[in-house]
Amino acid sequence: KAGVTQTPRYLIKTRGQQVTLSCSPISGHRSVSWYQQTPGQGLQFLFEYFSETQRNKGNFPGRFSGRQFSNSRSEMNVSTLELGDSALYLCASSSSGFGNTEAFFGQGTRLTVV
Amino acid sequence: KNQVEQSPQSLIILEGKNCTLQCNYTVSPFSNLRWYKQDTGRGPVSLTIMTFSENTKSNGRYTATLDADTKQSSLHITASQLSDSASYICVVSARGTTDSWGKLQFGAGTQVVVTP
Repeated sequence: KAGVTQTPRYLIKTRGQQVTLSCSPISGHRSVSWYQQTPGQGLQFLFEYFSETQRNKGNFPGRFSGRQFSNSRSEMNVSTLELGDSALYLCASSSSGFGNTEAFFGQGTRLTVV
Repeated sequence: KNQVEQSPQSLIILEGKNCTLQCNYTVSPFSNLRWYKQDTGRGPVSLTIMTFSENTKSNGRYTATLDADTKQSSLHITASQLSDSASYICVVSARGTTDSWGKLQFGAGTQVVVTP
């Protein structure tokens, strides 16, 4: 069974640009969540999607948005990039949401804003 | 204030030695606690999941303990190997009406370096 796939693995963008990251969950999983990880802040929750609906959202500005498609693949978009957006962006999938079910993380997308 | 505190922040151990990482939490009502291992530049990988009724769970050389009364957990690494060098993250889930990622509380992680 294929794991969680995130593309691209690395990305370099300029301040002010926008970026779209992609996450393909494990087949059959309907929950996808996104995290931002920086050395100083650790893992910070961005949002969670379940069956194409955003079920929960973290404390990030509106520049961060996401969506989930009918095949459960998810995209995350960041507009008007700032230097502070440089981070490792991780997505995780599970069959029904966190609860007591197993959750699997992707390898992440390393975004560098210059 | 973070509801999940991990200690130490980092530690260096010799290959073959044992070590114990600590996680204290204030998350309530408690649902479950997980330990993840994250290699540099990669996604976290789950090591153990424990609910309030479980007080020990093992995964190979990794053994996690949970004391729900004192709200403390530990992760013990036995006979450390170079491949154990990673960040270990404690994640606590609160019990609520819906299971949602937003209810997770993450520790800052303990960076473990195993030296030859």
